[in-house]
Amino acid sequence: DQQVKQNSPSLSVQEGRISILNCDYTNSMFDYFLWYKKYPAEGPTFLISISSIKDKNEDGRFTVFLNKSAKHLSLHIVPSQPGDSAVYFCAASDSGNTPLVFGKGTRLSVIA
Amino acid sequence: DTAVSQTPKYLVTQMGNDKSIKCEQNLGHDTMYWYKQDSKKFLKIMFSYNNKELIINETVPNRFSPKSPDKAHLNLHINSLELGDSAVYFCASQGATGGYTFGSGTRLTVV
Repeated sequence: DQQVKQNSPSLSVQEGRISILNCDYTNSMFDYFLWYKKYPAEGPTFLISISSIKDKNEDGRFTVFLNKSAKHLSLHIVPSQPGDSAVYFCAASDSGNTPLVFGKGTRLSVIA
Repeated sequence: DTAVSQTPKYLVTQMGNDKSIKCEQNLGHDTMYWYKQDSKKFLKIMFSYNNKELIINETVPNRFSPKSPDKAHLNLHINSLELGDSAVYFCASQGATGGYTFGSGTRLTVV
């Protein structure tokens, strides 16, 4: 029972272009969403979050969009840089009171 | 100075053995977790502890026993290891703002 789904296992983007990573969720109780970035042999590190009262949150090159009616969120990275190459995990929780539920991750490769 | 540290980073052991993975956080967080990333790459919650008390046990076999001697430490002991236990195990701590800080993971290989 995948409550958080990242249907694209991988994505390749040219340096300087926009990277768009998508995430869908099924649990309507989720109201807090996060993106984590993971390099090989390291733990996931927090990137950006959004609560359900907002539909957009921006931090530098990273923007997360939330569409509650579609139960969909996306992470936009612009411009993409080679150092952004990593696995990106989408995660969600119910008011932060329950442990984060993670998607399977999307491997982003930014090609110079 | 690593915020959440796990040891060992790699662990190769035979079926049937008992092993432990240690986790320590120096962030002063009250809540700590163990997550398992299996071969399908899912990061799944195993246990949650708040200030040394078990909060969540997500239907993990009782061969897995977490122990929290104090709120800065959450260790994971696994008895009678099976091939299917091979995975990467991540420890994490959660601060008051809700953010998680993960350790670098322990890759367990059971042969």
